[in-house]
Amino acid sequence: SQKIEQNSEALNIQEGKTATLTCNYTNYSPAYLQWYRQDPGRGPVFLLLIRENEKEKRKERLKVTFDTTLKQSLFHITASQPADSATYLCALEDNAGKSTFGDGTTLTVKP
Amino acid sequence: NAGVTQTPKFQVLKTGQSMTLQCAQDMNHEYMSWYRQDPGMGLRLIHYSVGAGITDQGEVPNGYNVSRSTTEDFPLRLLSAAPSQTSVYFCASSPEFRGATEAFFGQGTRLTVV
Repeated sequence: SQKIEQNSEALNIQEGKTATLTCNYTNYSPAYLQWYRQDPGRGPVFLLLIRENEKEKRKERLKVTFDTTLKQSLFHITASQPADSATYLCALEDNAGKSTFGDGTTLTVKP
Repeated sequence: NAGVTQTPKFQVLKTGQSMTLQCAQDMNHEYMSWYRQDPGMGLRLIHYSVGAGITDQGEVPNGYNVSRSTTEDFPLRLLSAAPSQTSVYFCASSPEFRGATEAFFGQGTRLTVV
């Protein structure tokens, strides 16, 4: 069955460092991969989308890589700030248009 | 521009009661969907719609009904609430289905079934 795993439930880093979150998938052929941010008590907010034929995407301090051979996406936040503390979700969309979400990684950036 | 609006924000139901969770979007989006999120877990797709009059089942549809009579509205109905349906429910919309577009989420409805 299809499975998405995000590296760990929680990640703690020091302000200014780069946070790296991992999204691995099995039994899936995604057309797109998306990353969302979710704050407590709020709905997810879209951050970045990367297509299956793209290797890397950047937006300000965010960078996403997508390796369909390894079946893995890495999500980087450079120069992290306490305001970046949140839960980050990866989502894969297949060619049929259905999205499947990972369980999320909660990032805490300490000042 | 309100985006995706969900009502109510909180609801407590007794086992066996029915209710409707409301979802409305004002962005003229084609695609709308309902997810549930349980503690420490990602979102699981309940039902989705690719346009007015068209709905289909997602990963966990049992116990839920939907309809899409207009582009704007996509209500989720619980026919006979069960404690297993205690969860946070999110409605989302996207400009199109099967497109490389972002999903816009509502603020969620926190439902407790006792």
